[in-house]
Amino acid sequence: EVQLVESGGGLVKPGGSLRLSCAASGFTFSSYSMNWVRQAPGKGLEWVSSISNSSSYIYYADSVKGRFTISRDNAKNSLYLQMNSLRAEDTAVYYCARDRLSPWSSWTFDYWGQGTLVTVSS
Amino acid sequence: DIQMTQSPSSLSASVGDRVTITCQASQDISNYLNWYQQKPGKAPKLLIYDASNLETGVPSRFSGSGSGTDFTFTISSLQPEDVATYHCQQLDNLPLTFGGGTKVEIK
Repeated sequence: EVQLVESGGGLVKPGGSLRLSCAASGFTFSSYSMNWVRQAPGKGLEWVSSISNSSSYIYYADSVKGRFTISRDNAKNSLYLQMNSLRAEDTAVYYCARDRLSPWSSWTFDYWGQGTLVTVSS
Repeated sequence: DIQMTQSPSSLSASVGDRVTITCQASQDISNYLNWYQQKPGKAPKLLIYDASNLETGVPSRFSGSGSGTDFTFTISSLQPEDVATYHCQQLDNLPLTFGGGTKVEIK
């Protein structure tokens, strides 16, 4: 069974940093592109970042470019999102999501974690 | 960026009703459109990919159609377990963008 479990969310002050993790199991993690998608309270979904299976290709939304860094450790079956210079508008539930196809990116997300809440507030 | 406009933003229908949601892209995205279902407090779930392909295990009462800029998502016979917010997503260009969501409730 495919499982994605996020962790690392919490309350952080504006300008602070946080590192999110996503532990994957039930599939060959190293074969799939992975993604982060967020959802502000009561709002719609916003794509944040994507990373290819071998980390060769990395993409970011303009809203986080230069502040967030996506990475992965295929040996540990884990996906990460390092978030720096956090702003109030980064407050959201952050989901990790698997790409539907392997090994290339289809930009379609077939499995999602339960999400981890990041709150940026003084 | 490609803007995705979903309508309506919410609807209320009776069990057994046919429900239709539309999603309009700000430019031609061919058939590069997905639909997700998000139940309250849960993660989104993929229902339809590439505009009209039903994801494995998804009930056949869900369907999608359209190409270019105009897309439709249909629930042929609304069931109580379909109460959720439905999101469209374009995958034609980065940044990937989603519609604002349509909240479906039972009347």
